Amino acid sequence: DGGITQSPKYLFRKEGQNVTLSCEQNLNHDAMYWYRQDPGQGLRLIYYSQIVNDFQKGDIAEGYSVSREKKESFPLTVTSAQKNPTAFYLCASSFWARGADTQYFGPGTRLTVL
Amino acid sequence: SQQGEEDPQALSIQEGENATMNCSYKTSINNLQWYRQNSGRGLVHLILIRSNEREKHSGRLRVTLDTSKKSSSLLITASRAADTASYFCATAFFIIQGAQKLVFGQGTRLTINP
Repeated sequence: DGGITQSPKYLFRKEGQNVTLSCEQNLNHDAMYWYRQDPGQGLRLIYYSQIVNDFQKGDIAEGYSVSREKKESFPLTVTSAQKNPTAFYLCASSFWARGADTQYFGPGTRLTVL
Repeated sequence: SQQGEEDPQALSIQEGENATMNCSYKTSINNLQWYRQNSGRGLVHLILIRSNEREKHSGRLRVTLDTSKKSSSLLITASRAADTASYFCATAFFIIQGAQKLVFGQGTRLTINP
């Protein structure tokens, strides 16, 4: 899991609520990413950020929002507009790429909608 | 779709045997990475192979890449019970400078029987 922390580990949400998942890294990485993983599936990219105060939509950004006010932090908000938010959410980070680069993953947050 | 496909979806072998997993993809890539995920946990990076490389080794791991066939394989030699996990290949594309997009396959669930 390296120097990336995610909290909480488990999160329960009532329908119609917004919830925010935390991701913090102390690896001095420039780029950060959010992925969603459904049971038995690979990861899909939600949002990514190259530098502070800048972020881009990934493949499945609808119903999610992010911010990048600090280099170390990249919180993800799952809004009530996300139709099926129950999933495992993984945050990752990487150095400024000067070529191929490795992404380092946090331990994940499992979100369940009640 | 850029998504890679992994084969087999599940593999069960005896401890000490070798395990081979395959990954195919559809478009040109910058690099290909293999990750391991223990149940309910984050992903751990195993090995990265660049598009101009054909083979890489790391301990008991051997990865090959055939860009003409758009395929890669991961070989784990002398398997151990601790190797039981899901293994994902991820093809990497640069999206903007400083960030790269990883497109994950659905994974191979490897079970090592004692």
